[in-house]
Amino acid sequence: GAVVSQHPSRVICKSGTSVKIECRSLDFQATTMFWYRQFPKQSLMLMATSNEGSKATYEQGVEKDKFLINHASLTLSTLTVTSAHPEDSSFYICSARDPSRGFNYGYTFGSGTRLTVV
Amino acid sequence: EDQVTQSPEALRLQEGESSSLNCSYTVSGLRGLFWYRQDPGKGPEFLFTLYSAGEEKEKERLKATLTKKESFLHITAPKPEDSATYLCAVQGNTNAGKSTFGDGTTLTVKP
Repeated sequence: GAVVSQHPSRVICKSGTSVKIECRSLDFQATTMFWYRQFPKQSLMLMATSNEGSKATYEQGVEKDKFLINHASLTLSTLTVTSAHPEDSSFYICSARDPSRGFNYGYTFGSGTRLTVV
Repeated sequence: EDQVTQSPEALRLQEGESSSLNCSYTVSGLRGLFWYRQDPGKGPEFLFTLYSAGEEKEKERLKATLTKKESFLHITAPKPEDSATYLCAVQGNTNAGKSTFGDGTTLTVKP
């Protein structure tokens, strides 16, 4: 149980274009999802908290106009990197917690999206 | 501000050589401390949640323990398939479900 599916797993895009990453909870409803960014050999940095039916909450220093988050349903959150530049190249990961399973099962993460901007 | 520091940064073991990974933390009111395993190019995989000092949890060759300031992940008789990066994260009572992660310990187990 508690599966989070993330797509695409890899994407290469040209500088100046936009890329959308999807995160779906397959067997539970997630009112809240978290989006992280991870640089090579570094830890996960929280970018934003995605709330179903309301605006996302962004961490300090994260440009909300660049990283657009939409949480339109209880099972889908999307992250759109707008006007991507090479410095946006990174590993993006989403996570959520099945509220019916409690803290003992921690948070479930997607498999991540490797974004390369050329 | 919550903080998590993991050590060592990297650990190389021979198969069967037991060792421990450290996670030191500061948090305003611990709601939970999590251990995750992350394989290269993948998202983290949940291992344990610890809630209070003195608590221990085990899963196969792994045992996690917790004190008021740190947590240890003990690996007994590791196998090559235990090679991965192990991440520690804390969540406080007042930070709206957000987790703060350490930089991880990359474990390599040689056959």
